[in-house]
Amino acid sequence: AQKITQTQPGMFVQEKEAVTLDCTYDTSDPSYGLFWYKQPSSGEMIFLIYQGSYDQQNATEGRYSLNFQKARKSANLVISASQLGDSAMYFCAMREGRGMDTGRRALTFGSGTRLQVQP
Amino acid sequence: DAGVTQSPTHLIKTRGQQVTLRCSPKSGHDTVSWYQQALGQGPQFIFQYYEEEERQRGNFPDRFSGHQFPNYSSELNVNALLLGDSALYLCASSLELAGVTGELFFGEGSRLTVL
Repeated sequence: AQKITQTQPGMFVQEKEAVTLDCTYDTSDPSYGLFWYKQPSSGEMIFLIYQGSYDQQNATEGRYSLNFQKARKSANLVISASQLGDSAMYFCAMREGRGMDTGRRALTFGSGTRLQVQP
Repeated sequence: DAGVTQSPTHLIKTRGQQVTLRCSPKSGHDTVSWYQQALGQGPQFIFQYYEEEERQRGNFPDRFSGHQFPNYSSELNVNALLLGDSALYLCASSLELAGVTGELFFGEGSRLTVL
């Protein structure tokens, strides 16, 4: 069974500094995708970044990058130049399998990390 | 282009009652999934609908049921409510053939409180 572990219930970071949010995963499927979502107080889950298990390079999206260490089964999110608006819950998630029909596959989420950016 | 919309945003029920939550997927999406997010936890997969049929289901009892309509919108029904059903219920839409990334688009959720 697939599993996601986020060991940091809460993190503080100063504005303009970088922060790393940890995520480890467990799966027996060689094909999988890893996701990070941001959830502000409004409740909506906002997609941030995706990393496929066969991707050779770490994913980057603007200020977000994913530190993917396949052998360690970790997929840490790095946020550079933190902003006050980055304060939110952050969830790591995984979906097993690969192919064009990924829309039919459910996500397994971790328990989340609450990030607070301080001025 | 409207994203995923859910209604109602908040509701309060008492134990034993029944509730219906509604979801309209993002334009062009054909697959709707429902997730339950208890306070302080990550979302958990309830079930998924495609072509008006339940395609897969997470570890939830039969009290949780759903429906998908021809326009792809969906309902989540919960019968015989328990205190433990209090949670944020998230609807997510996607395309069946979503490609390698297969991004899910989420609504803002319906927050259910059971007293």
